[in-house]
Amino acid sequence: DAKTTQPNSMESNEEEPVHLPCNHSTISGTDYIHWYRQLPSQGPEYVIHGLTSNVNNRMASLAIAEDRKSSTLILHRATLRDAAVYYCILSSNTGKLIFGQGTTLQVKP
Amino acid sequence: NAGVTQTPKFRVLKTGQSMTLLCAQDMNHEYMYWYRQDPGMGLRLIHYSVGEGTTAKGEVPDGYNVSRLKKQNFLLGLESAAPSQTSVYFCASSLQGALYEQYFGPGTRLTVT
Repeated sequence: DAKTTQPNSMESNEEEPVHLPCNHSTISGTDYIHWYRQLPSQGPEYVIHGLTSNVNNRMASLAIAEDRKSSTLILHRATLRDAAVYYCILSSNTGKLIFGQGTTLQVKP
Repeated sequence: NAGVTQTPKFRVLKTGQSMTLLCAQDMNHEYMYWYRQDPGMGLRLIHYSVGEGTTAKGEVPDGYNVSRLKKQNFLLGLESAAPSQTSVYFCASSLQGALYEQYFGPGTRLTVT
């Protein structure tokens, strides 16, 4: 299973954009790039996913590099409720999610 | 819709005891998954199922068994609990594979003494 590399932690100010990077240099052609987040004492929550093209939804945007070896999750205006651990995950056709350590995002008021 | 529910929410077991964790989903999802999460770590996949009557091993299957007799339920069994199985257990389901997001339950906190 392909692995991802993320920074351990990041900080942001409230109402500013946040760019969370992820490297996945061993990604295969059929792997989807998924992002989940986990708030304290809760189960993970789906954020966004994509294959090749950039994706937008009500929560975030996902920018995927042309060679697909890296991606960036963009939160357009961080709020205090966005403080969480963000996981970048590659998902194969079985849907298996192999979680790494994730990035702990701290949002300052 | 209740989404994904897990029973029980908390449990304390003695070493060697057995128990079954129940996961139920009402979204008619084909795929279901069991994960465990140890303190400060990401989730690790224990077992998963791609449809009723099927199961497959994940990253850390040893010491656990699963069954998917009904599409909406996925059971995780511990035959002889060990302290190393103290963890938070999460169940998830998805419509199908990688193309679809997974929906997670609230978790079961298990302590083995």
